[in-house]
Amino acid sequence: AAGVIQSPRHLIKEKRETATLKCYPIPRHDTVYWYQQGPGQDPQFLISFYEKMQSDKGSIPDRFSAQQFSDYHSELNMSSLELGDSALYFCASSLRGAGNTIYFGEGSWLTVV
Amino acid sequence: DAKTTQPPSMDCAEGRAANLPCNHSTISGNEYVYWYRQIHSQGPQYIIHGLKNNETNEMASLIITEDRKSSTLILPHATLRDTAVYYCIVGSGYALNFGKGTSLLVTP
Repeated sequence: AAGVIQSPRHLIKEKRETATLKCYPIPRHDTVYWYQQGPGQDPQFLISFYEKMQSDKGSIPDRFSAQQFSDYHSELNMSSLELGDSALYFCASSLRGAGNTIYFGEGSWLTVV
Repeated sequence: DAKTTQPPSMDCAEGRAANLPCNHSTISGNEYVYWYRQIHSQGPQYIIHGLKNNETNEMASLIITEDRKSSTLILPHATLRDTAVYYCIVGSGYALNFGKGTSLLVTP
């Protein structure tokens, strides 16, 4: 079965640069979520979108923005990168609704040097 | 979302059942209990979830107490590949907030 696809899998950027991560949800899923997992930490919810509108907001820094497009894929844009942004970024998707299952991608590794 | 409490670590012998407890005493009526696991730096893997009835699938069983204040994830025959961090998350099926989880070590 198709899973959540994330690209790129690995990314190296310098401080103050900009990075964009892409996420392709499971077909027919209408909701996308972004999570950040720093070294040795648990995944932290950043933001989610339902039908191309922001749905929930977690601990997303102001330097980050995201959107969901008409084909339901999503992009996370990170600007003015800091060393502390180095982390594993997960995208997840689901069908909107109470009790539905959220499926995660394999993540994108961002290293800021 | 309700907060959960899990032991930080557990050991289990290969082939034995692994029983992972979770306390969620502040769970509200419309919140589900979800279990995910994460094998080192891979994406969190969905295991099972339930509202109030016990659930079973090909991976595990979920036992939820009648008052819904706690639950237990059961891996019936643990293998070395089940070594992972297991997260118990309470939520309504929208954004799930991960807590600390239980690091399960399955030993030969």
